[in-house]
Amino acid sequence: DAGITQSPRHKVTETGTPVTLRCHQTENHRYMYWYRQDPGHGLRLIHYSYGVKDTDKGEVSDGYSVSRSKTEDFLLTLESATSSQTSVYFCAISGGGQNNSPLHFGNGTRLTVT
Amino acid sequence: TQLLEQSPQFLSIQEGENLTVYCNSSSVFSSLQWYRQEPGEGPVLLVTVVTGGEVKKLKRLTFQFGDARKDSSLHITAAQPGDTGLYLCASRWGATNKLIFGTGTLLAVQP
Repeated sequence: DAGITQSPRHKVTETGTPVTLRCHQTENHRYMYWYRQDPGHGLRLIHYSYGVKDTDKGEVSDGYSVSRSKTEDFLLTLESATSSQTSVYFCAISGGGQNNSPLHFGNGTRLTVT
Repeated sequence: TQLLEQSPQFLSIQEGENLTVYCNSSSVFSSLQWYRQEPGEGPVLLVTVVTGGEVKKLKRLTFQFGDARKDSSLHITAAQPGDTGLYLCASRWGATNKLIFGTGTLLAVQP
């Protein structure tokens, strides 16, 4: 298995509080991604990174920010959590820029906003 | 906006039956990937198809990329309970390395 660790694995937080999810990789891969998964929507891309300090928005980036200060860590922050952000969050990594490079996923973080 | 639409959304079948799930888009893709996700885990890549009309087989799974590279199908022969899971298609968004996923097909194979 690709070396991807997401933390925490589960979190319950209150509306309006800030939350940061961490993705750590040991593969030295260039590309890192944050997705959210909700019933009926498959996986939706929030943000992705194509290198240290290089990030770009995905399909559902509103309400989220990211940072990548070093290759191995990609942080996802919810500045002020809302109930609509209750979801399962997956981090993924990819080594190549080729069109058919596969993604390797972590095991997810289940976030509940009450 | 979901660029990749999958059908059916849910499928419950008996062990030994055959099934086909579909992934469709109005856009042309240079390549398409299929993933399977089991409960509590992240998706795992099954196959990548690149060429229009391409057919790839993975044991009892047959993947096909449409001639126009706007659709793909996954056919499972003699389904087993171990095939149960969420099947997702995915492709790159435009000229970027953003990988966009379809809506998914949740398959349950009953013993």
